[in-house]
Amino acid sequence: GENVEQHPSTLSVQEGDSAVIKCTYSDSASNYFPWYKQELGKRPQLIIDIRSNVGEKKDQRIAVTLNKTAKHFSLHITETQPEDSAVYFCAASKFQGAQKLVFGQGTRLTINP
Amino acid sequence: NAGVTQTPKFRILKIGQSMTLQCTQDMNHNYMYWYRQDPGMGLKLIYYSVGAGITDKGEVPNGYNVSRSTTEDFPLRLELAAPSQTSVYFCASSEGQAPGNFGPGTRLTVT
Repeated sequence: GENVEQHPSTLSVQEGDSAVIKCTYSDSASNYFPWYKQELGKRPQLIIDIRSNVGEKKDQRIAVTLNKTAKHFSLHITETQPEDSAVYFCAASKFQGAQKLVFGQGTRLTINP
Repeated sequence: NAGVTQTPKFRILKIGQSMTLQCTQDMNHNYMYWYRQDPGMGLKLIYYSVGAGITDKGEVPNGYNVSRSTTEDFPLRLELAAPSQTSVYFCASSEGQAPGNFGPGTRLTVT
């Protein structure tokens, strides 16, 4: 089955700097890669997703890139702000109706003022 | 719209007890999911449903059962609770893309 590895497990950056979180997946048939943000004690929020027919997708300060050959994808956050502090999860699935997502272990991002 | 609602918010069970976690959505979504999240970990899919009357197993279904008699409701049943089922349980719904509507979660402790 699919296995998703996420790095780093913790990341600390200065406010205004960029943050990058990387994930690798094992199943070459996976073709859908969402990212979630989870604040402490809260529910996960879907922040961006990408399908395998697209190499990059942007939404304001957030972007996701995908390298199908190497089987890895990354989340990029630019101009970080204190409210970006949270745990971020990547996930992978085969996009076919119901999304049987396999999640990474999470990255705790801390933005230092 | 209330979105996805879950009850209860917290529950303590003794080993061997049973309970049902309730989940309701008011967005008329076909797809519904149950996840568990252990401390410091990502979510793991327990069961999912593609519509009323249709359910299927996810990654970690053992010890759980589900039903989907209506579009709105997707209850999760724990039989013979074990300490390994101590976790936070999230219900979610979607219309084909990644689950984007999560409930607030149920924090379950089995002692």
